[in-house]
Amino acid sequence: DQQVKQNSPSLSVQEGRISILNCDYTNSMFDYFLWYKKYPAEGPTFLISISSIKDKNEDGRFTVFLNKSAKHLSLHIVPSQPGDSAVYFCTGNQFYFGTGTSLTVIP
Amino acid sequence: SAVISQKPSRDICQRGTSLTIQCQVDSQVTMMFWYRQQPGQSLTLIATANQGSEATYESGFVIDKFPISRPNLTFSTLTVSNLSPEDSSIYLCSVTIMGTGELFFGEGSRLTVL
Repeated sequence: DQQVKQNSPSLSVQEGRISILNCDYTNSMFDYFLWYKKYPAEGPTFLISISSIKDKNEDGRFTVFLNKSAKHLSLHIVPSQPGDSAVYFCTGNQFYFGTGTSLTVIP
Repeated sequence: SAVISQKPSRDICQRGTSLTIQCQVDSQVTMMFWYRQQPGQSLTLIATANQGSEATYESGFVIDKFPISRPNLTFSTLTVSNLSPEDSSIYLCSVTIMGTGELFFGEGSRLTVL
């Protein structure tokens, strides 16, 4: 049972533009959500989180939006940089990972 | 934060053999977690390893196939037994720092079973 889903396996964006990565979940009991970034041959690293009682959290170029009624969250990266090219995972609580979205930022 | 080292980083094994993956953390942690990432799939939690007690396995994972040791607060091993090609995956060790909810991961161990 996949409780967290990322329906877009890949995304390409021009440098300087906005990247929007989407995530849907089914478990309304999740207390918080996290985004991780993963480069090849490395483990995932934490990027940003949001509590279920908030609808937005911002950290520099990264903003996560949560729409609880739609059970949907999104990660916005503005402006996108080539170094942002990686696989991004969203998670519900600590342990429920989505399948990931591979972001490519084109210089 | 926590720095986690895994060995081996990659290995190629024959069907029917076993592979043991080591995970070393630079600080003492209560819980360590083992994940598997099969090709094109999400990270799936295999088990939680607590020092001084048996590991707790998630649905679909059993101790006979994935025995885990946790001899102290900075080290753990995961063994993948009786290997088959379906076990070809990346195996990741992770820890959490109390109160943060954030997971710290090792670099992963890429296993290929022929």
